[in-house]
Amino acid sequence: DSGVTQTPKHLITATGQRVTLRCSPRSGDLSVYWYQQSLDQGLQFLIQYYNGEERAKGNILERFSAQQFPDLHSELNLSSLELGDSALYFCASSATRGGQANYGYTFGSGTRLTVV
Amino acid sequence: LAKTTQPISMDSYEGQEVNITCSHNNIATNDYITWYQQFPSQGPRFIIQGYKTKVTNEVASLFIPADRKSSTLSLPRVSLSDTAVYYCLVGDDTGFQKLVFGTGTRLLVSP
Repeated sequence: DSGVTQTPKHLITATGQRVTLRCSPRSGDLSVYWYQQSLDQGLQFLIQYYNGEERAKGNILERFSAQQFPDLHSELNLSSLELGDSALYFCASSATRGGQANYGYTFGSGTRLTVV
Repeated sequence: LAKTTQPISMDSYEGQEVNITCSHNNIATNDYITWYQQFPSQGPRFIIQGYKTKVTNEVASLFIPADRKSSTLSLPRVSLSDTAVYYCLVGDDTGFQKLVFGTGTRLLVSP
């Protein structure tokens, strides 16, 4: 157990639907990062939050949005889902704003999203 | 941007030492070098982190030359369970580029 909790572990939904993925960071970590990993692809950075505020944005689609709540958990909302959105979605957390110092990121086990 | 370059894949046999080198020619003064391991359908796992010279922990060693333009992850006596993708990540605590994982190195360990 890495300390980063992601729910649900698996999600199957239809095209056009909307889903919410949840992440609870490791205790004490203020930064949360979201990544998308399609089959046999690398990790694509989506977005980062630090202590409730958006810190950095990657190639996140307009159909996707995220937020970090006062208790530091984060949610990634995916709407108007397409077949190509099927992927593993990982959440990571770190103690610092950047995550490189103090042993980097801690990743959760991911949510596998299947759009049918 | 501190872009990294790694070999796409490597093959090894059980019991051998494996060295994976990452090039990061544009590394900045405040950048750290961090390596992660990822198994299929799992999140990446931190292996080792360093700034300069050599760092060793219970699973790996990290060699960083004086110019810091490259780093080498050394896995002693690999086993089948070391088959995974290994990512090199370079960055500090302020820059966006640190959040970008490269393609990684796919290590296959055979009996």
